Amino acid sequence: GESVGLHLPTLSVQEGDNSIINCAYSNSASDYFIWYKQESGKGPQFIIDIRSNMDKRQGQRVTVLLNKTVKHLSLQIAATQPGDSAVYFCAERVGGATNKLIFGTGTLLAVQP
Amino acid sequence: DADVTQTPRNRITKTGKRIMLECSQTKGHDRMYWYRQDPGLGLRLIYYSFDVKDINKGEISDGYSVSRQAQAKFSLSLESAIPNQTALYFCATSDLYSNQPQHFGDGTRLSIL
Repeated sequence: GESVGLHLPTLSVQEGDNSIINCAYSNSASDYFIWYKQESGKGPQFIIDIRSNMDKRQGQRVTVLLNKTVKHLSLQIAATQPGDSAVYFCAERVGGATNKLIFGTGTLLAVQP
Repeated sequence: DADVTQTPRNRITKTGKRIMLECSQTKGHDRMYWYRQDPGLGLRLIYYSFDVKDINKGEISDGYSVSRQAQAKFSLSLESAIPNQTALYFCATSDLYSNQPQHFGDGTRLSIL
């Protein structure tokens, strides 16, 4: 079936370290992937996306890596800051033109000062 | 002002009551979505709409209905609320074009007693 899962429900890192959040997806037909950040009391906020014809995409302090061979997606955050503390979700688009997304269950990133 | 606004932000009501959650957007997007979020689960799609005349069921539409009153407005109704509909509800929008992320409101926390 279609599913998106996360290996680590909670990730604790020291301020200034790099963080890596992982995500597995099961639908080989998914063509677009998104990472969202959700802070307490707020809705998911777009961080970065990647198309299936790419392996890597970089933003400001964030990098997304896509490994289609093993159906794995990761989000790397450089020099993690206290403001990065949040729940991070990956999502895969399975509907093509419908833009329907399937979301993972989320990873809580806790940044220790 | 927020691009995607949900009202109310919090609601407590009783079993059997009719509830309407409202969503309005200033992004000019054609596509709008309703999701629910439960602890330990990812966001799950309830309904989505591509324009005023288009309404589609998501994976968990039973017990819910929607109305797309205008391009900018998409409301979700619970005709007869039941306790297992207690959850966080999010509205999202996306552009017509492919490979565009969905943008979320800050959610409505709904509790049904």
